[in-house]
Amino acid sequence: QSALTQPPSASGSPGQSVTISCTGTSSDVGGYNYVSWYQQHPGKAPKLMIYEVSKRPSGVPDRFSGSKSGNTASLTVSGLQAEDEADYYCSSYAGSNNVFGTGTKVTVL
Amino acid sequence: EVQLVESGGGLVQPGRSLRLSCAASGFTFDDYAMHWVRQAPGKGLEWVSGISWNSGSIGYADSVKGRFTISRDNAKNSLYLQMNSLRAEDTALYYCAKDILPYYYGSGAFYGMDVWGQGTTVTVSS
Repeated sequence: QSALTQPPSASGSPGQSVTISCTGTSSDVGGYNYVSWYQQHPGKAPKLMIYEVSKRPSGVPDRFSGSKSGNTASLTVSGLQAEDEADYYCSSYAGSNNVFGTGTKVTVL
Repeated sequence: EVQLVESGGGLVQPGRSLRLSCAASGFTFDDYAMHWVRQAPGKGLEWVSGISWNSGSIGYADSVKGRFTISRDNAKNSLYLQMNSLRAEDTALYYCAKDILPYYYGSGAFYGMDVWGQGTTVTVSS
């Protein structure tokens, strides 16, 4: 149960796009289409942004999109806005267990 | 309103026990898997444990296996985490979270956590 690997940081200017990767193994990301992504602002509880690799819960803007290829999942935030500055975590089902990523701090320049 | 409210956190000495509770409201509790997730101060999220709608499937992170026990009481709309043999590294904010899809969705997996509580703080220190 090793944490999924994410880059520590990512950044972009308002209106640009940023993509965050999430690398696991065939036992988690690669083995199931149950990857989810969470946004967390300082001092707040996480918020689900993407589930089942690419589905958006009600209320999440379509600027947020997810995909997966092999053992790596990705979250893309298009049309960056100031309020998108936050920590982002991926997570994957791993057969009766779950595992989170190491987290990525997104900065809007 | 869909809501999760955790309780039971506090300061505890190493080696002692603590029981966390999570009261759910606003949704059909026994349709959904539930989770405990923790976050140590200044650190990332760590999945601790998850339990299926009927307690038939339970999982634990390796870091807590054998020390923590998750359970649920569907009649009381409540989730629990019994934490034994606590260590300093268990110090964290503990969140209760609801899975987004009901059990009848199909595969019995954990799909994503769409509702979170505000968390309860556990501090393990002598």
